[in-house]
Amino acid sequence: AQTVTQSQPEMSVQEAETVTLSCTYDTSESDYYLFWYKQPPSRQMILVIRQEAYKQQNATENRFSVNFQKAAKSFSLKISDSQLGDAAMYFCAYTDDKIIFGKGTRLHILP
Amino acid sequence: KAGVTQTPRYLIKTRGQQVTLSCSPISGHRSVSWYQQTPGQGLQFLFEYFSETQRNKGNFPGRFSGRQFSNSRSEMNVSTLELGDSALYLCASSSGQGLYGYTFGSGTRLTVV
Repeated sequence: AQTVTQSQPEMSVQEAETVTLSCTYDTSESDYYLFWYKQPPSRQMILVIRQEAYKQQNATENRFSVNFQKAAKSFSLKISDSQLGDAAMYFCAYTDDKIIFGKGTRLHILP
Repeated sequence: KAGVTQTPRYLIKTRGQQVTLSCSPISGHRSVSWYQQTPGQGLQFLFEYFSETQRNKGNFPGRFSGRQFSNSRSEMNVSTLELGDSALYLCASSSGQGLYGYTFGSGTRLTVV
């Protein structure tokens, strides 16, 4: 069965600095999709970034980028120039059929 | 374009009662998925409906059921509520298999007392 592991329950970063959130997953599939979702205190899950497994190029969305290592089954999220509004729970997710989420990393932004 | 709408936002029920939660997906989205979120277990997949058919199901007891209507709106029902059913229930919609990501609603916070 597919699993998603986020090993950092909580992280803190100074405003304007860069932070990397880790995610590893396990699957025997070769074709799948990976996501990072953000859940602020408002509770609504927001899609941050998406990566297709067949693409070698790492996805980028403004200040958010990923480091996708397919062989290592690793999918980390880098947030550059951290802002106070980035404070949230971040969930790594995998899907080839149904979507599976990691347990999340709570990110604190220090002013 | 309206987002995913979940009603009600908050609900308090007594053990043994049943509850029905509603989810209206983004217009044009035919897939609706439901998740239970708790501090201990995180986000757990309940089931997914596509064009009124259950396409996937998670590992939840039969007390948890759902359905989808012809307009893609979905309802989730939990019968014989237990204290452990207290959670945030999230609904998400997508246009197909969710390969482009899911759009989530703000959830229904269910408290069982």
